[in-house]
Amino acid sequence: GAVVSQHPSWVICKSGTSVKIECRSLDFQATTMFWYRQFPKQSLMLMATSNEGSKATYEQGVEKDKFLINHASLTLSTLTVTSAHPEDSSFYICSARGVALAGGFTDTQYFGPGTRLTVL
Amino acid sequence: GENVEQHPSTLSVQEGDSAVIKCTYSDSASNYFPWYKQELGKRPQLIIDIRSNVGEKKDQRIAVTLNKTAKHFSLHITETQPEDSAVYFCAADSNYQLIWGAGTKLIIKP
Repeated sequence: GAVVSQHPSWVICKSGTSVKIECRSLDFQATTMFWYRQFPKQSLMLMATSNEGSKATYEQGVEKDKFLINHASLTLSTLTVTSAHPEDSSFYICSARGVALAGGFTDTQYFGPGTRLTVL
Repeated sequence: GENVEQHPSTLSVQEGDSAVIKCTYSDSASNYFPWYKQELGKRPQLIIDIRSNVGEKKDQRIAVTLNKTAKHFSLHITETQPEDSAVYFCAADSNYQLIWGAGTKLIIKP
């Protein structure tokens, strides 16, 4: 149980284009999803927290107009990197926390496999 | 806000020996402390967690200890194996988020 998928696993795009990354919880209801960015050999940097049906809460220094987050359902959240530039190249990982299908809330975060974004 | 410090940044141990990674936290209200293992290019995976009402938890070769008074918790891996090589992250919950340590690269020498 507690499987989180993320798509695409990697993407290469031209500077100025927008990229959408999807994060899905496959066997539980994700009441909260988190979006992280990870640079090589570094820890996870939280970008934003999204609760289903409400606006995402962005961490300080993260541009909400550049990193658009939508959490429209209990199983899907999307991160759109708008007008991507080379400095946006990174490993983006989502995680989800919520209610198991069998019932019971879990505060454990389960991670997607990540998306490697390269902006040329 | 919460701050989590993790040491060491790199740990090299002989195969079969034990490894210990330590973390300290600052927010006394934190009550959930997970440990994640991340292999290169892959997702972090939960390996063990502990809550503040417990002082120690063990799962086969992995154990975690928590000292709430001193605000520190540790990961212990016994009888290390090559597949234990990875980066390990500790975290502490704060305001429904996880605050992460900087990570420890564990190297298992054959």
